[in-house]
Amino acid sequence: DAGITQSPRHKVTETGTPVTLRCHQTENHRYMYWYRQDPGHGLRLIHYSYGVKDTDKGEVSDGYSVSRSKTEDFLLTLESATSSQTSVYFCAISEFASRDTVGKLFFGSGTQLSVL
Amino acid sequence: DQQVKQNSPSLSVQEGRISILNCDYTNSMFDYFLWYKKYPAEGPTFLISISSIKDKNEDGRFTVFLNKSAKHLSLHIVPSQPGDSAVYFCAASANNNDMRFGAGTRLTVKP
Repeated sequence: DAGITQSPRHKVTETGTPVTLRCHQTENHRYMYWYRQDPGHGLRLIHYSYGVKDTDKGEVSDGYSVSRSKTEDFLLTLESATSSQTSVYFCAISEFASRDTVGKLFFGSGTQLSVL
Repeated sequence: DQQVKQNSPSLSVQEGRISILNCDYTNSMFDYFLWYKKYPAEGPTFLISISSIKDKNEDGRFTVFLNKSAKHLSLHIVPSQPGDSAVYFCAASANNNDMRFGAGTRLTVKP
């Protein structure tokens, strides 16, 4: 299994509070991603990073920010959590070393976030 | 705007029979397609992929078929086993960083 650790695994918070989720990898992969999974929507990309300090927006980036100060760590921050951000959040990594690895994402175990 | 659609939320098959999971897409720019498998409380894991230059890719019990003209792909599992019971996500990519996922199909394989 790819070395990806997400923390915390579960979190309950209140509307309006800031929340930071952490993703840590030991694979030295260049690309890191944050997805959210919701019933009826599958997995949707929030933000991704293609290197240290290099990030870009995904499909559902509003209300989220990210930072990557080290290759191994990718942080997702909800500046002011809302109930619509209750979801399961997955971090993923990939390394486009060859065509064979294009698109292959390795996922962490997820963080269940509940915003009350 | 869901560019990748899995219209069957669930599928139930008998052990030993074939499971066929379907996926449709709307974006003609997609050139790489993947299937991921997800067990409860775990992250999705890569299962099999296919490039748009092919129409079939096989890996053991798993085969993915791509019909570009119909913008349709399917995953065949033969024979199905109880351990295959999971949620299966279809995904498609037009470039390396914009992968779109379907909503998933929950497969139940009955012993």
